Amino acid sequence: AQSVAQPEDQVNVAEGNPLTVKCTYSVSGNPYLFWYVQYPNRGLQFLLKYITGDNLVKGSYGFEAEFNKSQTSFHLKKPSALVSDSALYFCAVRVAGGTYKYIFGTGTRLKVLA
Amino acid sequence: KAGVTQTPRYLIKTRGQQVTLSCSPISGHRSVSWYQQTPGQGLQFLFEYFSETQRNKGNFPGRFSGRQFSNSRSEMNVSTLELGDSALYLCASTLAGAKETQYFGPGTRLLVL
Repeated sequence: AQSVAQPEDQVNVAEGNPLTVKCTYSVSGNPYLFWYVQYPNRGLQFLLKYITGDNLVKGSYGFEAEFNKSQTSFHLKKPSALVSDSALYFCAVRVAGGTYKYIFGTGTRLKVLA
Repeated sequence: KAGVTQTPRYLIKTRGQQVTLSCSPISGHRSVSWYQQTPGQGLQFLFEYFSETQRNKGNFPGRFSGRQFSNSRSEMNVSTLELGDSALYLCASTLAGAKETQYFGPGTRLLVL
């Protein structure tokens, strides 16, 4: 079965420090990978995606993610966290040539402490 | 370009009633998906419509149904509401193609009393 795992329910980081939110996936076929962020009482906002090419993808608000095929991971990173980055982050995968269904992880709550 | 819009934004219903939620996708987007989000279960996929046909379906009971119109607008209906149906219902739209990004609306917050 195809799945996405976000192993940490919550990540705490001090403002100004680098942050990482982890995501691993298990799919058969070539994956298309996405990161979304959700602020309280809002829908999900698209941050970035990996389709093909360079393994390091840059997205909105200074976020980036690295696609690692051998480790089947797509971790979200930011060099210097802001308090305003505190939110719920979702990783998602879609499979090339598949059913077009998005598979979402369970979400990771990021808390950036001032 | 206008984003995905959902109406109503908030809704209060009582058990046993039924509810219809509406979603207007981004102009040109032909695929509309629906998700249920609850604190306990996270984000759960309900169904996806593409060109007025249901293309994918999640594991929800038959009380949950949807449809898509020729202008790509979609509605979701829940009949015989239960307390556990209280949730944020999110709609997302995308262009055709697996590489395309899914864009979400702000959601409809449903409270069942």
